[in-house]
Amino acid sequence: DARVTQTPRHKVTEMGQEVTMRCQPILGHNTVFWYRQTMMQGLELLAYFRNRAPLDDSGMPKDRFSAEMPDATLATLKIQPSEPRDSAVYFCASGLVLGQDNNEQFFGPGTRLTVL
Amino acid sequence: GENVEQHPSTLSVQEGDSAVIKCTYSDSASNYFPWYKQELGKRPQLIIDIRSNVGEKKDQRIAVTLNKTAKHFSLHITETQPEDSAVYFCAAKPSTGRRALTFGSGTRLQVQP
Repeated sequence: DARVTQTPRHKVTEMGQEVTMRCQPILGHNTVFWYRQTMMQGLELLAYFRNRAPLDDSGMPKDRFSAEMPDATLATLKIQPSEPRDSAVYFCASGLVLGQDNNEQFFGPGTRLTVL
Repeated sequence: GENVEQHPSTLSVQEGDSAVIKCTYSDSASNYFPWYKQELGKRPQLIIDIRSNVGEKKDQRIAVTLNKTAKHFSLHITETQPEDSAVYFCAAKPSTGRRALTFGSGTRLQVQP
């Protein structure tokens, strides 16, 4: 049963520290998404990639956040420096998009980040 | 861009009753409308989706209806059970362009035994 995996599952850090979250998409999927979930904002899209190229990162604060896909099996989301308002659950999701077909996104278990 | 509004934000029903969650969207180009269920502390999971070439789709106790003219779609859960308690998210997406899914704000459904 293929699943999206994320590490770490929980992260507690102090304000100003760098945070790196990792995601392994389902093998064969060509699209990867990063979402942030808070009670107030619901599911916010931060960035997404297709075939490892960034397609949209307009939801991401560029001054402190960065997202990359060094290869097809790894996506990373970095926050530097972290701030208490970054505390949230960060979900990665992957999907297979062929042509104009829209297909299911599969979510990872999330990384619960707490910035003190 | 797309704007998806979802109502109600919370919904409490008695076990066995039906539950209906409604969403409206703004972009007439949207043609894919999935619904995700998120149990407490878990990941969102797709429960049903509909594409704009159909008006209704059913899967056991769950059904989704789509009205493209009015730009709204709804999730219907019949014979609700306590395990249906969760947060439900609707979403919308066009087939063309670079935009990803736009999610609604979520509905917290509580099924009282």
